Amino acid sequence: DQQVKQNSPSLSVQEGRISILNCDYTNSMFDYFLWYKKYPAEGPTFLISISSIKDKNEDGRFTVFLNKSAKHLSLHIVPSQPGDSAVYFCAASLNYGGSQGNLIFGKGTKLSVKP
Amino acid sequence: DSGVTQTPKHLITATGQRVTLRCSPRSGDLSVYWYQQSLDQGLQFLIQYYNGEERAKGNILERFSAQQFPDLHSELNLSSLELGDSALYFCASSVDGRKHEQYFGPGTRLTVT
Repeated sequence: DQQVKQNSPSLSVQEGRISILNCDYTNSMFDYFLWYKKYPAEGPTFLISISSIKDKNEDGRFTVFLNKSAKHLSLHIVPSQPGDSAVYFCAASLNYGGSQGNLIFGKGTKLSVKP
Repeated sequence: DSGVTQTPKHLITATGQRVTLRCSPRSGDLSVYWYQQSLDQGLQFLIQYYNGEERAKGNILERFSAQQFPDLHSELNLSSLELGDSALYFCASSVDGRKHEQYFGPGTRLTVT
């Protein structure tokens, strides 16, 4: 049973426009959410994160929104650039009595930003 | 560059064999995680070590084992290899077990023939 779902396998956006990547989760005990970017032949690169006690976190062109009631988070990239073309993974983390454990990943969304 | 190193980058071996994958965490990071990425499964957590001790286990097969050494580098041992073990194996590290952000190495691509 997939606890973290990214329902769109791919997304194509024009350069300069907004990219919105979506993620849904099922476990209400998740207390932290992260986005990773992955280029081919490289490991995932940490992008941005958000605690479950917040609903928004911003870092430059990247903003993550969390809607706990809907168990949904999204990553907004504004403006999108061709270098943003990559696979984006949503991940969630559980708090085990104060100690953070492994990340549970979605299957990824491939973003293509066209010039 | 995340600061996490993994060797080897590629590994080709036959069914039934045993291999060892190596990971060096970022300087100062005490926690090491191993993940497997296969084509249809996405990134799956295998096992976590913190300062030499096993901290958490995920979907790790009994044929697989890992350890973290006093210098904090980690090794993942895969034995009695099967075709289905072909995958990318990533190591990640974090400052300690309480920090959410994990930093990933470039991965080892294992091909079992």
